[in-house]
Amino acid sequence: QVQLQESGPGLVKPSETLSLTCTVSGGSVSSDTYYWSWIRQPPGRGLEWIGNIYYSGSTNYNPSLKSRVTISVDTSKNQFSLKLRSVTAADTAVYYCARFVVVTTKVRDYYYGLDVWGQGTTVTVSS
Amino acid sequence: DIQMTQSPSSLSASVGDRVTITCRASQSISSSLNWYQQKPGKAPKLLIYGAYSLQSGVPSRFSGSGSGTDFTLTISGLQPEDFATFYCQQSYITPFTFGPGTKVDIK
Repeated sequence: QVQLQESGPGLVKPSETLSLTCTVSGGSVSSDTYYWSWIRQPPGRGLEWIGNIYYSGSTNYNPSLKSRVTISVDTSKNQFSLKLRSVTAADTAVYYCARFVVVTTKVRDYYYGLDVWGQGTTVTVSS
Repeated sequence: DIQMTQSPSSLSASVGDRVTITCRASQSISSSLNWYQQKPGKAPKLLIYGAYSLQSGVPSRFSGSGSGTDFTLTISGLQPEDFATFYCQQSYITPFTFGPGTKVDIK
């Protein structure tokens, strides 16, 4: 059974970089059936998709965060990571990593839901 | 970006009730619509993908329908463990946007 686990600092200072890692167990990030995603949820609010990455390194980002976000994958460690630069209090949230089921074709990719999630990690931006 | 709306934003229901939640997309998303259930302090759980396909392990009292811009999640016979917040998400085009959520609580 595949499990995802987020790790990283729970407190980040304003203007610094938030860095989180998601470790995949019971499965492989090198699978061609999944994109690996980051989603966040500010306190008391809804869900925001941050971006995702394929094992090949192909990425998609939310345009609202694209200038500050980098998602990377390390197949040797079976991990993928999130970096969010120049954080402010508005970036305070629970950050989730998740697995996005995908069917890739020559024309386009078809996404079929985030079927496995990590438990989430709370990141607070404060001095 | 595709905007997702949900109605109602909250509802009160009793065990055994049939509950319907509606999700609308700002443009056609074909059948690329997913439903999630989230309980307080927990990660969301995938219920329905592709508008109507039941995720493995999810009880059959959950069902989804719709295509294009209008979608529905139905719970046929609400159970005590179903009280939660439900989110729709479009996965047709990035950014993959979520609806604002519908909170279902006990009447």
